[in-house]
Amino acid sequence: GAVVSQHPSRVICKSGTSVKIECRSLDFQATTMFWYRQFPKQSLMLMATSNEGSKATYEQGVEKDKFLINHASLTLSTLTVTSAHPEDSSFYICSALPVAGQGVGKDTEAFFGQGTRLTVV
Amino acid sequence: KNQVEQSPQSLIILEGKNCTLQCNYTVSPFSNLRWYKQDTGRGPVSLTIMTFSENTKSNGRYTATLDADTKQSSLHITASQLSDSASYICVVSPNAGNNRKLIWGLGTSLAVNP
Repeated sequence: GAVVSQHPSRVICKSGTSVKIECRSLDFQATTMFWYRQFPKQSLMLMATSNEGSKATYEQGVEKDKFLINHASLTLSTLTVTSAHPEDSSFYICSALPVAGQGVGKDTEAFFGQGTRLTVV
Repeated sequence: KNQVEQSPQSLIILEGKNCTLQCNYTVSPFSNLRWYKQDTGRGPVSLTIMTFSENTKSNGRYTATLDADTKQSSLHITASQLSDSASYICVVSPNAGNNRKLIWGLGTSLAVNP
């Protein structure tokens, strides 16, 4: 099956520092990956769409200079939370959309990583 | 306004029992409806995905139904197991192939007790 791996699964950082989260599609290629944020007892909120080889598309209200996204290859997208503050503490989840024709998934469904719990102290 | 509402908000059942979770949506246009299982502290895992023309789909002990006329869906879990304890999320896609515009429900938190 399609596997998406996120790393790290948990991270604690000091306020003002930057944190990088990786999202890898292990057995398929993905030109498009999505980054979500989820607060306790809330639904997933899309932050940005990561496009391989081009700039990410950010949702309204998401600061692109704070949440840097790089999608340098067909299997890796990274999210860097810059100058993190306690209010950035959240559960960050990525999903990857398989390139058509790989025999992975159906109905153009994206596959989710296991999430990263970020705590800023 | 596009919305997905789920009920109940939370549910506690005994191991071995069946349960049904509900999802009502007001999303238009409509492409497909998905049910995900999300364990605490983990990413969502897809259970079923149904298009407009499908009214039922099964995945093991999980059976989803869809009534596109009334804009309702249900997820039925048979012979529940302790490992079924999780949040079950209903997600509606307005446009085929556009994962950016997914409309997410808040989920039903299910606890299966021994």
